[in-house]
Amino acid sequence: QQQVKQSPQSLIVQKGGISIINCAYENTAFDYFPWYQQFPGKGPALLIAIRPDVSEKKEGRFTISFNKSAKQFSLHIMDSQPGDSATYFCAATSFIQGAQKLVFGQGTRLTINP
Amino acid sequence: NAGVTQTPKFQVLKTGQSMTLQCAQDMNHEYMSWYRQDPGMGLRLIHYSVGAGITDQGEVPNGYNVSRSTTEDFPLRLLSAAPSQTSVYFCASTEAGAEYGYTFGSGTRLTVV
Repeated sequence: QQQVKQSPQSLIVQKGGISIINCAYENTAFDYFPWYQQFPGKGPALLIAIRPDVSEKKEGRFTISFNKSAKQFSLHIMDSQPGDSATYFCAATSFIQGAQKLVFGQGTRLTINP
Repeated sequence: NAGVTQTPKFQVLKTGQSMTLQCAQDMNHEYMSWYRQDPGMGLRLIHYSVGAGITDQGEVPNGYNVSRSTTEDFPLRLLSAAPSQTSVYFCASTEAGAEYGYTFGSGTRLTVV
């Protein structure tokens, strides 16, 4: 079963617009929530991350909003640019018996139209 | 600083063949993992290691073996390839501590015919 559910699967946004990707999780043992960005032919790369005791984190045009009670978090990309076109994965980290395990959502293919 | 290096980048196997996907990192990271990426499924954990000599199964381990004899290397072995193992495989590593995030290799695209 998918421990982290991500939506939408694909998203098209006009240049300058706001891109919003949503994720939900069930396991309350998760204690760190990163977002990864992946360009075609490349591996995912860490974009931004948040701890569950923080409701929002902003880095430049990228913001994570976190709702612990609803077990939901989202990525907002402000002033979206064509260079932001990529696949985005939300993820959740848990520590089990000393091992850091990362679980991914299904991914969102974002296209920014010029 | 090469980061995480995966070889080969592309591979075509016949059903039943075996092969090893290589992964090496030069960052002295403790944790290493193998993921497979399939459309609509995200990345799913195959096997992981918390240090040399220590490995464990992830979400989808069947048909794969791993070993970790050194900190740097974490090869993934396909024992008898099946078409269901057609996928893109990523190796990743990180330091202990969630805030460091994983560094991923550029992937191996495997096709089993």
